[in-house]
Formats: sequence, structure tokens, C-alpha cells
Amino acid sequence: ETGVTQTPRHLVMGMTNKKSLKCEQHLGHNAMYWYKQSAKKPLELMFVYNFKEQTENNSVPSRFSPECPNSSHLFLHLHTLQPEDSALYLCASSQVGQGADEQFFGPGTRLTVL
Amino acid sequence: DQQVKQNSPSLSVQEGRISILNCDYTNSMFDYFLWYKKYPAEGPTFLISISSIKDKNEDGRFTVFLNKSAKHLSLHIVPSQPGDSAVYFCAASAGNQGGKLIFGQGTELSVKP
Repeated sequence: ETGVTQTPRHLVMGMTNKKSLKCEQHLGHNAMYWYKQSAKKPLELMFVYNFKEQTENNSVPSRFSPECPNSSHLFLHLHTLQPEDSALYLCASSQVGQGADEQFFGPGTRLTVL
Repeated sequence: DQQVKQNSPSLSVQEGRISILNCDYTNSMFDYFLWYKKYPAEGPTFLISISSIKDKNEDGRFTVFLNKSAKHLSLHIVPSQPGDSAVYFCAASAGNQGGKLIFGQGTELSVKP
């Protein structure tokens, strides 16, 4: 595997379900990010992890719970979601502290909440 | 308060002509700007970037121009090709924000043969 991978690619869940999104980066980066992309809106930054420590939580509801067990893996645990949470969830990684701020994105998980 | 704005949701260009995508920002602390390209069902891919110490950066058919006084940047694609049809996002960062990027809403480019 190369780059940033995300599983699953598609997920349909009911409002009472619990599910998790997984992201893995194979780039040796030290920072990972979760974004939400809704139709016709900018990418919304949800969480930032630098060196496995959460450094940003952009007022995300507690029904979204991130986990970063190491610098290569990032999870987003979902529970009691609402239909308006249906969106494309993107994971990204970058090497912070070396000048360039390029982030490399995974393909995303298309989430539908029924 | 949206700090990065792409005011054109869509743009249609003939193959072979120039495509110009625009982006405005409000935060004068931004010092690095990036353009990403996104195809449907894929994540955004990095295209080109520019530091605030420059006013132009060129990479093949893609050139990014930065006008700091106007807080405006643009992406020029010439010549445009049908494979360039995608959504283009501009993004900005401030050096003291630990790699955090602020994205615009995106402009959907359609290049017609």
C-alpha cells in the first residue's frame, strides 16, 4: 500500500449504529487530519493529530470520537449519528515542521446515515 | 467567517484555451497557498503551491499567481485539456498553525473538447 488509505470506502448506517472509519498513512508523516466534505461546501477540518496528540478539535459533536494509536493510524468512531452527518469523510497526513504544508489525502469514506 | 473564498462555483472552458481559477483570502497571516484537484469519488490531490515570498510559481501547464496586496491568488492552466475537468480547491496556511489548512469551497472546471 502507498500513500493514504481509508476503509471502508462506503458506509450506510442507522442512527443507532456504532461504526468506525479507519485511515492509514504509509508516508512516514507526523500529523494526521480528519475532514468532512458536504456538497458544495469547503472541506471542514474536524480533528488534527500531531505526533499522536490531538492538537485541534473544531467544535465537533461528541458523537464523533477520534483515536490515534500511533503516527500511522487514525480512526473516527461514530455513534448515534444524524442524517445531516451524511458526507464524505477524508483523512489526510502531512510532515509538519519542514516548511511545506502539503497534505496528502486518502480517497475518503462516503457515509450515509439513514 | 470564511477566510478563503472561491466565488465561482463553476467554470467552463474550451479545450486548448486558458483556464483561470480565482481565490481570495482575508487572513494576512497566511504565508503558504496550495491548489488541490479533486475527481469524483477520490480524495483531493496536491497540484501546486506558492510561498508568500513569491508572486509566481510555474509547473508545466499550471501557474499560480499571488497578489498579496489584493489578498488574491489565481491558478492558470494552459492549454486546458479535458482531463483537467475536476473540482479545484485553493487552501491557505499560516506558519504558526502546525500544518492546518483552510480550504475554499471549490470551483468545478469543465473543459469541453
